[in-house]
Amino acid sequence: DAKTTQPPSMDCAEGRAANLPCNHSTISGNEYVYWYRQIHSQGPQYIIHGLKNNETNEMASLIITEDRKSSTLILPHATLRDTAVYYCIVRVTGYGGSQGNLIFGKGTKLSVKP
Amino acid sequence: GAGVSQSPSNKVTEKGKDVELRCDPISGHTALYWYRQRLGQGLEFLIYFQGNSAPDKSGLPSDRFSAERTGESVSTLTIQRTQQEDSAVYLCASSLRLYNEQFFGPGTRLTVL
Repeated sequence: DAKTTQPPSMDCAEGRAANLPCNHSTISGNEYVYWYRQIHSQGPQYIIHGLKNNETNEMASLIITEDRKSSTLILPHATLRDTAVYYCIVRVTGYGGSQGNLIFGKGTKLSVKP
Repeated sequence: GAGVSQSPSNKVTEKGKDVELRCDPISGHTALYWYRQRLGQGLEFLIYFQGNSAPDKSGLPSDRFSAERTGESVSTLTIQRTQQEDSAVYLCASSLRLYNEQFFGPGTRLTVL
């Protein structure tokens, strides 16, 4: 089972910031938080990942709380093309004996509206 | 650069037939993964390969499913005696090494009539 909890759906106005929350209260010290998204009829796309520090790349920012029990993915200026299902995944990044595959939950369906 | 490619993009087959699905990973990626996504559902892990290590087959749903990988290149997922419940999009992903971020292909949509 997925170790994360996300709202099933969210709406965002085009041009505004989209803030997607994720709860991972049972996260272990060596587990990273990964975000992927899946646009309709396409394969999932990697967005960003982090351990405990906030991270930013050209696609998004990731804010992780100090206790690491939750995080927020921020799309600073959402466009219609950002409409997708967003998956928050926790996993070990390293040979710690865990599986290499990703475990996808149900994600959050983000609808960006004009 | 070239991403992960999969072929065919669509496959329609009759119940009981065997099918082969192909995945070409990103060059230099040592890890390759297969997932399945039924209509309206999430992704289910099937199998992954990492270098020359024995593959992790823990997600294969039955012995009708098998996969091979030639070195660190092409992989083929084979489904024998297909059933209607095998209808799904089959997604392949690769990563530079196990546990690195995964890059997905466009998938193969399999329809079993």
